[in-house]
Amino acid sequence: AQSVTQLDSHVSVSEGTPVLLRCNYSSSYSPSLFWYVQHPNKGLQLLLKYTSAATLVKGINGFEAEFKKSETSFHLTKPSAHMSDAAEYFCVVSDAGTASKLTFGTGTRLQVTL
Amino acid sequence: AGVTQSPTHLIKTRGQQVTLSCSPISGHRSVSWYQQTPGQGLQFLFEYFSETQRNKGNFPGRFSGRQFSNSRSEMNVSTLELGDSALYLCASSLHRLNEQFFGPGTRLTVL
Repeated sequence: AQSVTQLDSHVSVSEGTPVLLRCNYSSSYSPSLFWYVQHPNKGLQLLLKYTSAATLVKGINGFEAEFKKSETSFHLTKPSAHMSDAAEYFCVVSDAGTASKLTFGTGTRLQVTL
Repeated sequence: AGVTQSPTHLIKTRGQQVTLSCSPISGHRSVSWYQQTPGQGLQFLFEYFSETQRNKGNFPGRFSGRQFSNSRSEMNVSTLELGDSALYLCASSLHRLNEQFFGPGTRLTVL
């Protein structure tokens, strides 16, 4: 079975500094991986997805992630944090043959301070 | 318009049953349901495509769902328990291989 592990439950950065949210995956096949963001009292929004094309994936709002098969990692990065980035971030893997059955990581809460 | 869910909030008592509704983005044929709780996080409930359940998560039989010919979906929880209190999220996608778009959720409180 596939799974994802988010290595940090909470990350705090200063505004303007880089963001790194770490995710490792486990899958018996070539996975489809996603990052979703959830702002307080709002639904989940797709940031980016990896589906075996380019290993460096660019998403919305300046976020990007790199798929590293040798390290089974899919870390999310952003060069410069903004206050509006404060939210819960989920690393997600989909089941084989469908992107409609998602397995979520436990989430990383990103705090951005002045 | 995005994925819409109704109602937004719901309060029920133990033993009752509840039906939640989800309207997917126009043209989307795949609908999935997820439960979000502080303790268990986000967990997959079911996936529907073309009115057929394609996948089911590890939930008891009290949780059921269906999809209509217009792709709208409902989920039902019978004999509610306190532990069913959660945010229930619906997601739709164009097809089973496309990324999902989530609705705002229905907040269910069981007293």
